[in-house]
Amino acid sequence: RKEVEQDPGPFNVPEGATVAFNCTYSNSASQSFFWYRQDCRKEPKLLMSVYSSGNEDGRFTAQLNRASQYISLLIRDSKLSDSATYLCVVNDMRFGAGTRLTVKP
Amino acid sequence: NAGVTQTPKFQVLKTGQSMTLQCAQDMNHEYMSWYRQDPGMGLRLIHYSVGAGITDQGEVPNGYNVSRSTTEDFPLRLLSAAPSQTSVYFCASSPRQGWDGYTFGSGTRLTVV
Repeated sequence: RKEVEQDPGPFNVPEGATVAFNCTYSNSASQSFFWYRQDCRKEPKLLMSVYSSGNEDGRFTAQLNRASQYISLLIRDSKLSDSATYLCVVNDMRFGAGTRLTVKP
Repeated sequence: NAGVTQTPKFQVLKTGQSMTLQCAQDMNHEYMSWYRQDPGMGLRLIHYSVGAGITDQGEVPNGYNVSRSTTEDFPLRLLSAAPSQTSVYFCASSPRQGWDGYTFGSGTRLTVV
């Protein structure tokens, strides 16, 4: 089992849709978690940290489920500009392979 | 504020050649790392450093060397380039390892022929 696993997608959704991604991790001792966004041929950029209590930033909500060892990212009211690859990472420097999202008009 | 600066942006090497990818950050971050990104593989950690004078191996270190003589700079050396090292290389930095999220450089696209 890979240390960090993501559904590669692609997820193709219409504008305005709600979409959710999950990321599972194998190291139960992991303490910090992040979601990154990567546009085509660009560097990853930090989207948000994932706290134990969950956190929200505008249309984006991140949650942590320690019992099942996964984190999630929920995007509400999808915009065309949300089209990108979303990467999760845990504090032992392991990145998931990414989930590709395409938002269509 | 430049953040993390990587040079060169593009490079073509012949098999067996050596070269150094440069990475510099101006944020006084203690933690720096090198990743490579291949299609379908995500980012894989090559080497990392938790401070000047301290380096350690990641999950794919073979064929690469690093050093950290200053807080600002963390160069990655390819000793004898192989076609399997064709990839996009990203340098990243963070105030602390694993807790603050990383700032990435814009990447170096390397092709080994």
